Amino acid sequence: AQSVTQLDSHVSVSEGTPVLLRCNYSSSYSPSLFWYVQHPNKGLQLLLKYTSAATLVKGINGFEAEFKKSETSFHLTKPSAHMSDAAEYFCVVSLPDSSYKLIFGSGTRLLVRP
Amino acid sequence: EAGVAQSPRYKIIEKRQSVAFWCNPISGHATLYWYQQILGQGPKLLIQFQNNGVVDDSQLPKDRFSAERLKGVDSTLKIQPAKLEDSAVYLCASKRSTEAFFGQGTRLTVV
Repeated sequence: AQSVTQLDSHVSVSEGTPVLLRCNYSSSYSPSLFWYVQHPNKGLQLLLKYTSAATLVKGINGFEAEFKKSETSFHLTKPSAHMSDAAEYFCVVSLPDSSYKLIFGSGTRLLVRP
Repeated sequence: EAGVAQSPRYKIIEKRQSVAFWCNPISGHATLYWYQQILGQGPKLLIQFQNNGVVDDSQLPKDRFSAERLKGVDSTLKIQPAKLEDSAVYLCASKRSTEAFFGQGTRLTVV
């Protein structure tokens, strides 16, 4: 069975400080991994994706994530938080043996303090 | 390109009534998903289509939920009869290669 775990339900940072949102997955196969962002009353937007190419993936709005197979992790980072980054973030895994369905984590709500 | 279109955006119904949601995916996207997102939770897959065939409906409560994708394009999701616990946002997504695009969702409130 495959699953994805987001370790923090809420993360609070000050504007201008680094962001770290943690994600671990469990899988016997090489996964595709994604981070999506959801702003209030808005649709889900893809931030970045890992599909077995470079392990360090750069996304939109200054976000990046590193795929670490040995740690089964895909943590999302950003060097400097902006107020507009406040939103819900979802880590998502997709596997070829499950018809490429997208399995979502429970989400991490990022709060950015002025 | 146009995004995934969903309608209606909001719906309020009484329990035991029926309701239907509509999704128009991005042109050329063979894969279509319906997800249910309950407040405070991550989206949960209800059903996945590949063209007009069902790939995965293992999480669909088939006693009350049904979905179809005639002609492999638009899709409808129906609930009959609705229960209070069906209150959620219903998300439609479509995919061609690796990236899935999501619609804005339909927020259903069952009272």
